[in-house]
Amino acid sequence: DGGITQSPKYLFRKEGQNVTLSCEQNLNHDAMYWYRQDPGQGLRLIYYSQIVNDFQKGDIAEGYSVSREKKESFPLTVTSAQKNPTAFYLCASSIGRGWANEQFFGPGTRLTVL
Amino acid sequence: KQEVTQIPAALSVPEGENLVLNCSFTDSAIYNLQWFRQDPGKGLTSLLLIQSSQREQTSGRLNASLDKSSGRSTLYIAASQPGDSATYLCAVRQNDMRFGAGTRLTVKP
Repeated sequence: DGGITQSPKYLFRKEGQNVTLSCEQNLNHDAMYWYRQDPGQGLRLIYYSQIVNDFQKGDIAEGYSVSREKKESFPLTVTSAQKNPTAFYLCASSIGRGWANEQFFGPGTRLTVL
Repeated sequence: KQEVTQIPAALSVPEGENLVLNCSFTDSAIYNLQWFRQDPGKGLTSLLLIQSSQREQTSGRLNASLDKSSGRSTLYIAASQPGDSATYLCAVRQNDMRFGAGTRLTVKP
């Protein structure tokens, strides 16, 4: 069953902790993306990767870090430097490099800071 | 910088009504525009993708149009059903992907 999986579905973080959100795809897509969604706002791009071992910052990368060691995996770490991390996080992938390709989205992870 | 706006922010209609959702963007030099559906607490489901050279796309009861020169797209939903209740997002692609804030649609039985 092909698709994009994100885990966990819900995540709770204490102040000062780093947490890592998982994103895996078995679609053999080259590019992967992380977005943040806040109530009443559009999705905002955090990081993206168009090839293994390479990634670029999006509009709101501060306080986040990523890695792309394998084609199918693109984990996102929310560090303690992120001032307001409570949000819904969406991972996406697309078949080729470049922004013209259609993106497919995972089910999301809701992160709450306690 | 590309700005994407969706109006209205929320819409409530009785079942069976035809409706139009609006999306506007400030820079017409786009690769394509995509409409998504999002159910509460879920990811995005792609509905329709319109390439910059196309004027419209249809899928079942959905029809999306694109007027690049005026920076507008509409999503037409025919014969609305309670199951259509969701948030509808539009996104445009240039050198990145920009999303609108969405229109929350409620279809009442």
